[in-house]
Amino acid sequence: EDQVTQSPEALRLQEGESSSLNCSYTVSGLRGLFWYRQDPGKGPEFLFTLYSAGEEKEKERLKATLTKKESFLHITAPKPEDSATYLCAVRGGQGAQKLVFGQGTRLTINP
Amino acid sequence: DTGVSQDPRHKITKRGQNVTFRCDPISEHNRLYWYRQTLGQGPEFLTYFQNEAQLEKSRLLSDRFSAERPKGSFSTLEIQRTEQGDSAMYLCASSLRTGADTQYFGPGTRLTVL
Repeated sequence: EDQVTQSPEALRLQEGESSSLNCSYTVSGLRGLFWYRQDPGKGPEFLFTLYSAGEEKEKERLKATLTKKESFLHITAPKPEDSATYLCAVRGGQGAQKLVFGQGTRLTINP
Repeated sequence: DTGVSQDPRHKITKRGQNVTFRCDPISEHNRLYWYRQTLGQGPEFLTYFQNEAQLEKSRLLSDRFSAERPKGSFSTLEIQRTEQGDSAMYLCASSLRTGADTQYFGPGTRLTVL
């Protein structure tokens, strides 16, 4: 069964203090690892898709990387508006279309 | 805005009542998904449609839950005889079968069962 574990559960940073969020996964035949951002009371907002180990993608202050067992979301010089819950999900093999999500990391950036 | 829309945004009901939620996907998307999310957890997959065909269902989807996508466009999720444990955010997502097949989510329907 596909599984995703995110750490830490919550993270508080000062504005400008860079850090990384971790997503560990086990999946039979990875067909995509996805990062989403979710603000309170709203649906997840798509950020990145990674498909193979060594792949990296960037968007503004965010950079996602992928290895065979985990993915990292690096946040460089964050701002208060980066505060949100960041969700990681995988799409496994065998033709399944569903995403399996981790529990998320709740990120707070203090000004 | 041409994103995924869901209606209603909030629903409060009494235990034992039936409720129905609607999802309108992004117009050219042929795949539609329903997920459920409880507080502090990630979304959990419920079911998936390709056009009007329901191709995948989770074990979470008990007999009290039914989903339809009659014309391959909008979808409805009905919960019969609601229980307090059904209280959650119900999320709909859609994707285009070709290309990256990225799932884009709607704003969700928050269900509270009293």
